[in-house]
Amino acid sequence: EDQVTQSPEALRLQEGESSSLNCSYTVSGLRGLFWYRQDPGKGPEFLFTLYSAGEEKEKERLKATLTKKESFLHITAPKPEDSATYLCAVQEGLVTTDSWGKLQFGAGTQVVVTP
Amino acid sequence: DARVTQTPRHKVTEMGQEVTMRCQPILGHNTVFWYRQTMMQGLELLAYFRNRAPLDDSGMPKDRFSAEMPDATLATLKIQPSEPRDSAVYFCASGRRDRYNEQFFGPGTRLTVL
Repeated sequence: EDQVTQSPEALRLQEGESSSLNCSYTVSGLRGLFWYRQDPGKGPEFLFTLYSAGEEKEKERLKATLTKKESFLHITAPKPEDSATYLCAVQEGLVTTDSWGKLQFGAGTQVVVTP
Repeated sequence: DARVTQTPRHKVTEMGQEVTMRCQPILGHNTVFWYRQTMMQGLELLAYFRNRAPLDDSGMPKDRFSAEMPDATLATLKIQPSEPRDSAVYFCASGRRDRYNEQFFGPGTRLTVL
């Protein structure tokens, strides 16, 4: 059973056309929810961590929000350089000395922004 | 600019051969992760180490995969014997205990087993 589900699978946007990506999760006792960006042929790059419902974080044109069941990544007035796959990951449960860092990733949303 | 490095970047091998992938974590990072990424399964955690000690390798097929940290600057992932279903991109990531949420990924090793 998938614990992290991202939608849509792919998103094509015109430059300047704002949109949102969704990450829903079913883990119990969420410890943290993470957003990463992955460019083709590269490793994922950390963007944000959210810890509790109601929390928001921003970085340039990206804004991440968290509720008790899902997270949204809002892309405001995107540019072609925002084209990438955006991955969501969760860490569940009690973080013990040994368990921190163990993340479960979603399948990602591939975003293409055209000029 | 500190980065995680991985070698080789690409590897093509035949079924049954041994494959060794290497990772140099960022200096000062005490936790190292090995992930595998495929189109079907996405990004999966195989194993991770803290201070060179294995903490969790439950995501790794133990009959053919092994992971070690011979020293603080080197992590290895070995597959013996390799099978076509092992074809994937293998990523190494490192992090610090006091900044656990930021895992820094390497560029990956693209493995093709024929």
